[in-house]
Amino acid sequence: EAQVTQNPRYLITVTGKKLTVTCSQNMNHEYMSWYRQDPGLGLRQIYYSMNVEVTDKGDVPEGYKVSRKEKRNFPLILESPSPNQTSLYFCASSLHREPGLSSYNSPLHFGNGTRLTVT
Amino acid sequence: GENVEQHPSTLSVQEGDSAVIKCTYSDSASNYFPWYKQELGKRPQLIIDIRSNVGEKKDQRIAVTLNKTAKHFSLHITETQPEDSAVYFCAPGRADSWGKLQFGAGTQVVVTP
Repeated sequence: EAQVTQNPRYLITVTGKKLTVTCSQNMNHEYMSWYRQDPGLGLRQIYYSMNVEVTDKGDVPEGYKVSRKEKRNFPLILESPSPNQTSLYFCASSLHREPGLSSYNSPLHFGNGTRLTVT
Repeated sequence: GENVEQHPSTLSVQEGDSAVIKCTYSDSASNYFPWYKQELGKRPQLIIDIRSNVGEKKDQRIAVTLNKTAKHFSLHITETQPEDSAVYFCAPGRADSWGKLQFGAGTQVVVTP
């Protein structure tokens, strides 16, 4: 089954304790990205990756790191989590271009989300 | 970068009535216009999208219309049902600058029986 898998689904941690949220897709998608979702603010992009070894900042990258060593995996790393990073996180992937329609984007496929609480 | 606004932020409709959500964007080069639906506790999922070579697209009870001149596109839901209750997001994009993506703030739709 084609899917984006995030782990863990729920995570409670303390300030300053490094953590990693994993994201893996089995659809051979070039593009992967991370979002945080907070009430009233919608989905805000943290980082994105256009392909292996290519990553770039989104709108809210402070306090986060990512890596893209393999096409299928795109982990989100919080080196020193703080309470303001308490949020719902989503990973998403897509083809860079719609097959047969090279001028257009392809839709995003989201993971099931990770609810992070930092105390 | 792209500036995306979505209205209204909440929408309460009677079952069977229609709902319309509007998304306004700033980048005139945007050419891909999707709508995502997020049910409570679930992930966002694409429900319909349109590309700038067409003005309207329908899929059963949902449709998307595009006005490129005015830089807005709208989601139309007809004959609403309780299962249409969800948060809806727009996320306009352009293929030549795909990486950075902005979502609208979302519209909470509540369908009351």
